[in-house]
Amino acid sequence: DAKTTQPNSMESNEEEPVHLPCNHSTISGTDYIHWYRQLPSQGPEYVIHGLTSNVNNRMASLAIAEDRKSSTLILHRATLRDAAVYYCILPHYGGATNKLIFGTGTLLAVQP
Amino acid sequence: ETGVTQTPRHLVMGMTNKKSLKCEQHLGHNAMYWYKQSAKKPLELMFVYNFKEQTENNSVPSRFSPECPNSSHLFLHLHTLQPEDSALYLCASSQGQGWNYGYTFGSGTRLTVV
Repeated sequence: DAKTTQPNSMESNEEEPVHLPCNHSTISGTDYIHWYRQLPSQGPEYVIHGLTSNVNNRMASLAIAEDRKSSTLILHRATLRDAAVYYCILPHYGGATNKLIFGTGTLLAVQP
Repeated sequence: ETGVTQTPRHLVMGMTNKKSLKCEQHLGHNAMYWYKQSAKKPLELMFVYNFKEQTENNSVPSRFSPECPNSSHLFLHLHTLQPEDSALYLCASSQGQGWNYGYTFGSGTRLTVV
């Protein structure tokens, strides 16, 4: 199964854009790239996912490199409520079950 | 509210007690999951159910016993737990097992074993 590598932590200022990187150099052609975030004392929250093309939704944008070996989650204007752990996840195939396996993610701190 | 409801939100239990955690979703999802998150550790997948059938048991000790009576409800029955089982227990659901589906998580049950 393909693995992801993310920085342990990042800092941003409020109202500024944030680019959260993820490396997944062993990604296969059919692997979707998923992003989730976990706010303090809450369960993870789906943010966005994509396969090849860049994706946008109301929360964020996902920029996927042409060779798909890396991707970047973009928060266009960070707010204090965006302070969370952000997880970049590739699918894990095992037996009869596809599943999400979480790593340690990137802890994003947002300064006022 | 995310659409996945977990009860109770907090639970304190003794090592000899028996308790159950409940998870409910009315999103029309067919797959449900239990995760455990210990302090300062990544989420650990415990169990997977697809159309009420268990498809994954990630080497979880038998003192944790899951039950999925239908696609909308998932339980985790607890008995003779240890203090190291104290953690945040999270339930999630997804429309299916394909990779174009996102997971929806509940807010979790914070379990303390004393």
